[in-house]
This record gives sequence, C-alpha cells and structure tokens, in this order.
Amino acid sequence: DSGVTQTPKHLITATGQRVTLRCSPRSGDLSVYWYQQSLDQGLQFLIQYYNGEERAKGNILERFSAQQFPDLHSELNLSSLELGDSALYFCASSWVGSLINEQFFGPGTRLTVL
Amino acid sequence: AQRVTQPEKLLSVFKGAPVELKCNYSYSGSPELFWYVQYSRQRLQLLLRHISRESIKGFTADLNKGETSFHLKKPFAQEEDSAMYYCALKIRLNQFYFGTGTSLTVIP
Repeated sequence: DSGVTQTPKHLITATGQRVTLRCSPRSGDLSVYWYQQSLDQGLQFLIQYYNGEERAKGNILERFSAQQFPDLHSELNLSSLELGDSALYFCASSWVGSLINEQFFGPGTRLTVL
Repeated sequence: AQRVTQPEKLLSVFKGAPVELKCNYSYSGSPELFWYVQYSRQRLQLLLRHISRESIKGFTADLNKGETSFHLKKPFAQEEDSAMYYCALKIRLNQFYFGTGTSLTVIP
C-alpha cells in the first residue's frame, strides 16, 4: 500500500500517560500534517512538517509534540494525557511542490483516554 | 476563532433533487478553499479545489469573496453522493482549517 499509513489503529490508555502515534507518508511526499478530530468537532490542524522541519503550527497543545525523521515518517507525541484528548488523530501527506496542495489522509488513530 | 463554518450538520435530499452544502469562511487574506469528502468506510479525500474551477462527480463550487462563501452544489443528487463533506481553508504558511462537516444523505 503506497498510501498514508498510521499506527496503531486504536489506542487505549489512562490519564497522565504518554503515547506516540506514527505516520508514514505516501511515497515521494515530503510534507506531513497532523489533525485532531474530537466528537462533534471538525478536523483541528495541529502541525505540519516538511522534509524534517516544522513548517506550520496550529492549535497544538504544549503537551503535544511532533517530529519528522530523515526517512520522512512522523511521530506525534502526546503526554500528560487528559480525558479530553480522546479523539481521532489523522495524518495527511502531500508533495508540497504541487500547486494544488492536495493532502492524502491516513485512516486515523483512535485514542481513548480513560 | 473559527475560520470555516458549515452550518448544516445533517442534510437529506431526494435522489435527483439539487443539493447545496454551505460553507462560509473568515480570512482577510487571499484564501485557498477545498472540499473534502469521506465516503462510508473510506478515507478522507479531496473532492475539489476552487483554484481549479473544476467539476468533479457533477459537483461544483464557486468562491464568492464578497459573501466569503464556497458552497458545494450538484444539480441532481445521486445515492452514491451520500457521505460526509468537509470544507477546508488554507491560509498562509500551509495552515489548514476544516469545518465541522455536513453529513449528506441522498434518499432513494
């Protein structure tokens, strides 16, 4: 599958814990975006990386951090988890060189904080 | 501040009827607008973007800067159009804002 992949698919953890979500972009895509989708909320843009460097930042909490590695996969780290962090976390990738800025989305990771 | 508003959470139309999914945005600069769609059990995918002025699967969307709107329209809805639709705004530095989505149901 040459599309965007995300692991794990589901994650259940307790408040106060720390988790890492992983995203592998489409082959050739240099840019990775992270989004959070809570119940009854639209997709909230968290952060974008391009070729290893942070490019844009949205509504990302200080407890959250991300990075993009030399092989272009990305990880989103969520720490000191709270109940309100329960959400679907999506990763998307794009080849930023494209004028159309089309993003290709992964299937998402569903995080449940108990 | 919310930058993209989709006022209808749910929208039902009969097959063959026209459909319009509303999207309003707030941004003082030059916006780039997109419609994304998520069919049942599929990933979110791009439907169309205003810069291309294209028609995809019979859908069109015109950017109205005066009304700050980017409504999605189709003259004759089909059952396969049933899906979740998201309007998205891209502003400077590749920041994206998505609306809360409209769930469209086309009734046979």
